[in-house]
Amino acid sequence: AQKVTQAQTEISVVEKEDVTLDCVYETRDTTYYLFWYKQPPSGELVFLIRRNSFDEQNEISGRYSWNFQKSTSSFNFTITASQVVDSAVYFCALSEAYSGAGSYQLTFGKGTKLSVIP
Amino acid sequence: EAGVTQFPSHSVIEKGQTVTLRCDPISGHDNLYWYRRVMGKEIKFLLHFVKESKQDESGMPNNRFLAERTGGTYSTLKVQPAELEDSGVYFCASSWQTSGQETQYFGPGTRLLVL
Repeated sequence: AQKVTQAQTEISVVEKEDVTLDCVYETRDTTYYLFWYKQPPSGELVFLIRRNSFDEQNEISGRYSWNFQKSTSSFNFTITASQVVDSAVYFCALSEAYSGAGSYQLTFGKGTKLSVIP
Repeated sequence: EAGVTQFPSHSVIEKGQTVTLRCDPISGHDNLYWYRRVMGKEIKFLLHFVKESKQDESGMPNNRFLAERTGGTYSTLKVQPAELEDSGVYFCASSWQTSGQETQYFGPGTRLLVL
């Protein structure tokens, strides 16, 4: 069975600090996909990134960066120079590449609530 | 391009009543998913449509929940009769292809409170 663990329930940082959100996953599949979504106070889930299990290159997008390490089954998300607008709940999710049921449902972690204090 | 929309945004009902949630996926997306987040827990999969067919409904909690997607466009999720434990946020998502690598785009959710 698949599982995603986000051990940090809530994090508070002061604006301009860097912050890393942890994500650890479990799967028996060799091919899978990892996602991060952001849920701002307005409630919708906003897609941030997708990685496949064969691509361990770190990714950077502006102030956001992601560190994927298969050896530790982790897919951590770092925000550099945090801003108040980064305040949100962040979810890590996993999907398998081949589904017997043909469903490709996402397995989510519980989410990490990030508060950036001005 | 319009995103996934859900209606209503909030619903407060009493135990035993019926509620129907609606989801309009992104135009052209054949795949439609329903998920639910109960307070303090993970977002959990409920079911998946490919066009108008139910591909996987393994996450549906019980037979009080009925999902439809007539014509392969919008979908409805009916809870009848509602129980207290049904309270939570119901998310809908859509994607273009039926594939694990395909990104699912989510709507804003419907917050359901059963009193």
